[in-house]
Amino acid sequence: GAVVSQHPSWVICKSGTSVKIECRSLDFQATTMFWYRQFPKQSLMLMATSNEGSKATYEQGVEKDKFLINHASLTLSTLTVTSAHPEDSSFYICSARDPRLAGSGELFFGEGSRLTVL
Amino acid sequence: SQELEQSPQSLIVQEGKNLTINCTSSKTLYGLYWYKQKYGEGLIFLMMLQKGGEEKSHEKITAKLDEKKQQSSLHITASQPSHAGIYLCGADQSAGNMLTFGGGTRLMVKP
Repeated sequence: GAVVSQHPSWVICKSGTSVKIECRSLDFQATTMFWYRQFPKQSLMLMATSNEGSKATYEQGVEKDKFLINHASLTLSTLTVTSAHPEDSSFYICSARDPRLAGSGELFFGEGSRLTVL
Repeated sequence: SQELEQSPQSLIVQEGKNLTINCTSSKTLYGLYWYKQKYGEGLIFLMMLQKGGEEKSHEKITAKLDEKKQQSSLHITASQPSHAGIYLCGADQSAGNMLTFGGGTRLMVKP
């Protein structure tokens, strides 16, 4: 089946540094990918919609200048947390839909990336 | 935006017992997804429901979408420790392909 892969699985960084998380669709092309964030013991919250070749669409309350999204190709979207602070520590997860499986409705999620900011 | 409420928030059952998790929407659901997640890991797709009255089963897990398409239930029969985890319902926001998630239900199955 379709696979979405994220890298890195976990990352620890110092406060003030920037961290890039990659989301790849391994065997299909995704014009749209979605980035979610999950804080401990909470559900997933949609952060932004990544659109290939155009600007990302951010949800209300999500700072676009802090969470930079780049969807440069049909198989790769990146989320960069700029000037990370401890409150940005969270589990970030991306998803995409395989257009070949449009009928199934399944939305594929990456393995997630755990960010810890010291 | 679509709001989803899941109940219960947490559940502890004895192995072998049946259980039901509910997901209620404030708006008509265009598509309702059920996922399972172990904390800190990715999501495992369980089922997707689109039609009012639709019911799907996978092994010992059955999900239903009511006729009005505003509520879904996930039923596990003869629960096992392997069923433990966080169950999330997600609503498809029309043709956007993005999902809004409920708060999740944390299930623990005692052997």
